[in-house]
Amino acid sequence: TQLLEQSPQFLSIQEGENLTVYCNSSSVFSSLQWYRQEPGEGPVLLVTVVTGGEVKKLKRLTFQFGDARKDSSLHITAAQPGDTGLYLCAGALGGGADGLTFGKGTHLIIQP
Amino acid sequence: DAGVIQSPRHEVTEMGQEVTLRCKPISGHNSLFWYRQTMMRGLELLIYFNNNVPIDDSGMPEDRFSAKMPNASFSTLKIQPSEPRDSAVYFCASSLISGTGRETQYFGPGTRLLVL
Repeated sequence: TQLLEQSPQFLSIQEGENLTVYCNSSSVFSSLQWYRQEPGEGPVLLVTVVTGGEVKKLKRLTFQFGDARKDSSLHITAAQPGDTGLYLCAGALGGGADGLTFGKGTHLIIQP
Repeated sequence: DAGVIQSPRHEVTEMGQEVTLRCKPISGHNSLFWYRQTMMRGLELLIYFNNNVPIDDSGMPEDRFSAKMPNASFSTLKIQPSEPRDSAVYFCASSLISGTGRETQYFGPGTRLLVL
């Protein structure tokens, strides 16, 4: 059983469209992070959310942490081909010193 | 800074052989993590160290896997004997844990392992 469920697994949309990907769990996390991974490279951190209900914006990307700290969403406005990649959510059950539990990721393709 | 360095980048070996993966964390970081990524299981935490001490190795699949961190600038992950199901991308990550809960883990480029 996957601790963090991400949906959708695959998403292919046209440039300029909006999209939302989800990260859900039955567990409470002390913090949740979103990473982006490109082929042949390691994941790169996009954002960390810690407080229930927290919303963070990174240009066209909006991240939200659920009130109960069990789920999160990533919304991309006006997607661009450069947004293509694997988006991973990762939760920390304990403090910051613990390893992360990752979801399987959402493979996103933005077509020109 | 050069970032997290992993070697080799690619490894092809035959079943039964010993495989050693190497990692140099970012200088000054006090925590090091080993992950494995496959299409079926995604990214899984294998083991992590804090100040060179193994903290949690519950993710290590079986006794064939072992990891060491002899000093703050070097870690190894060894598989002996290797099996085809060990084929995956192995990532090393490091972090400076300060207790804020917002620490960043910096990932290396990974080692792509294929066991024939």
